[in-house]
Amino acid sequence: SAVISQKPSRDICQRGTSLTIQCQVDSQVTMMFWYRQQPGQSLTLIATANQGSEATYESGFVIDKFPISRPNLTFSTLTVSNMSPEDSSIYLCSVGLAETQYFGPGTRLLVL
Amino acid sequence: EDQVTQSPEALRLQEGESSSLNCSYTVSGLRGLFWYRQDPGKGPEFLFTLYSAGEEKEKERLKATLTKKESFLHITAPKPEDSATYLCAVQANGGSYIPTFGRGTSLIVHP
Repeated sequence: SAVISQKPSRDICQRGTSLTIQCQVDSQVTMMFWYRQQPGQSLTLIATANQGSEATYESGFVIDKFPISRPNLTFSTLTVSNMSPEDSSIYLCSVGLAETQYFGPGTRLLVL
Repeated sequence: EDQVTQSPEALRLQEGESSSLNCSYTVSGLRGLFWYRQDPGKGPEFLFTLYSAGEEKEKERLKATLTKKESFLHITAPKPEDSATYLCAVQANGGSYIPTFGRGTSLIVHP
């Protein structure tokens, strides 16, 4: 398995601002992912963070709204840009190891 | 399209009252089925991976089983600390290995 940390653990933000979430893994991993989990809903994949290239986004998610960085094999950031109350959610970083996904503790975001 | 349906959505048990959670799935060739536990405000914690029909995995009071259409998570003599949301996910053969998640079953165990 892997030890995954996220910062911040939670935040309350104003409409129109941006928040960058950091994800740190204790070992080098090829595959890192960002998910969103809205209340009462399943986990929704936002994008796959690729080291050395642009992230691959799922349908309904765009780079301008959710820019992602992946500077090395242990770190990634997700920015939620120009936030609205609909962006209130839990954002989860995940890594793939031996075909199993392991998750970070999540960032709980509330947009007012 | 891969689909995962979990039932019930919510389950309340008394301590010691055994029960099962269901995960029904549709996938074009199953590579793996995963069970996770998620506590409120935290990320999902990996529990089990099942790969083929007939396979079983156990961990403390939890046992996961798999058929060609569904998986069960059996909870034997649950304790209040077993209260959590249990998520099921399936991974299809080929492609990116990214799993499809169900909405989860929220379990509350009363003392």
